[in-house]
Amino acid sequence: EVQLVESGGGLVKPGGSLRLSCAASGFTFSSYSMNWVRQAPGKGLEWVSSISSSSSYIYYADSVKGRFTISRDNAKNSLYLQMNSLRAEDTAVYYCAREGGDPFFDYWGQGTLVTVSS
Amino acid sequence: QSALTQPASVSGSPGQSITISCTGTSSDVGGYNYVSWYQQHPGKAPKLMIYDVSKRPSGVSNRFSGSKSGNTASLTISGLQAEDEADYYCCSYAGSSSVFGTGTKVTVL
Repeated sequence: EVQLVESGGGLVKPGGSLRLSCAASGFTFSSYSMNWVRQAPGKGLEWVSSISSSSSYIYYADSVKGRFTISRDNAKNSLYLQMNSLRAEDTAVYYCAREGGDPFFDYWGQGTLVTVSS
Repeated sequence: QSALTQPASVSGSPGQSITISCTGTSSDVGGYNYVSWYQQHPGKAPKLMIYDVSKRPSGVSNRFSGSKSGNTASLTISGLQAEDEADYYCCSYAGSSSVFGTGTKVTVL
């Protein structure tokens, strides 16, 4: 059974940093591209970043470019999102999602809440 | 990376069919056959319902179908059931990124 479990969310002050993790199991993690998608409270889904299976290709939404860094450790079956210079508008539930071959997200984690507030 | 446009809400009675539209541009919806649809119940993670415009993942009811014409994709739910009441989001590949729709709340009357 495919499982994605996010962790690392919490309350952080504006300008602060946070590192999210996503532990994957139930599939060959090193064979799949992975993504982060976020959802602000009461709002819609927003794609944040993607990383290819071997980390060769990395992309970011304009809203986080230069502040967020996606990475992965295939030996540990883990995906990460380093978030720096956080702003109030980064407050959201952050989901990790597996990319199912073509550009779509076939499995999602339960999400981790990041709150940016003073 | 502007969000794709969806109607804010769509409603229907049990057994009826409804269609949700998703309008983008030639740089996303119109440029690729990589439109997907997600169902999200309150407090839950999104669930993949349709991918590659019209393909259904294993386990998803055949009451859900997808299509695309030009820059607009559509999700049709036939034989509407109470459990279909949820938020629905379209998503399109846009080159080196993905873009989601604004979301549609489906209400079963």
